Amino acid sequence: AQKITQTQPGMFVQEKEAVTLDCTYDTSDQSYGLFWYKQPSSGEMIFLIYQGSYDEQNATEGRYSLNFQKARKSTNLVISASQLGDSAMYFCAMREDNFNKFYFGSGTKLNVKP
Amino acid sequence: DSGVTQTPKHLITATGQRVTLRCSPRSGDLSVYWYQQSLDQGLQFLIQYYNGEERAKGNILERFSAQQFPDLHSELNLSSLELGDSALYFCASSPTGGGTDTQYFGPGTRLTVL
Repeated sequence: AQKITQTQPGMFVQEKEAVTLDCTYDTSDQSYGLFWYKQPSSGEMIFLIYQGSYDEQNATEGRYSLNFQKARKSTNLVISASQLGDSAMYFCAMREDNFNKFYFGSGTKLNVKP
Repeated sequence: DSGVTQTPKHLITATGQRVTLRCSPRSGDLSVYWYQQSLDQGLQFLIQYYNGEERAKGNILERFSAQQFPDLHSELNLSSLELGDSALYFCASSPTGGGTDTQYFGPGTRLTVL
């Protein structure tokens, strides 16, 4: 089974609108971390936001927030007020603490339209 | 700029050859990770070091090896190169290598095997 599933290969959003990128994960570990990274066309990987498995509140970082639903094993990234510079690949990732393994999803390519 | 440096930026070599990729972590970070990003495999975790010792191993081939030196920089050695090894190789670093750590990625080394 896939450890990280991102079901949206590509998405479009109008500038200034909000967009949600989906991510589900699979783990039997009780302690894990969930991450989102952005990869622009230039290739670098940029850390966006982190959610720990024991965190009660949804993580927020500026225009980025997570909709973390532990029972459903999903951690969707919400980008508010989209900007043209948000056009990039977005990767969801998980670290399993007990197994000390790291997994990345296949990514979602976001295009922000003016 | 994440503070993680990788050299070289680009590397072109032939099948059967051996190359070394170098990574310097962010100041103060003790843990280094290596990833391979290819079109068909996506982003794959290869290996993690913490303060000079191997901590976790992912999908690293036997032809590949890595080490972390006392000054905390790391090298990834790829030998008997094959066409399929062509990829973007990322190094990331984090403070402790622990479960809540965020990994900060370097700009990557693009390897082309001809």
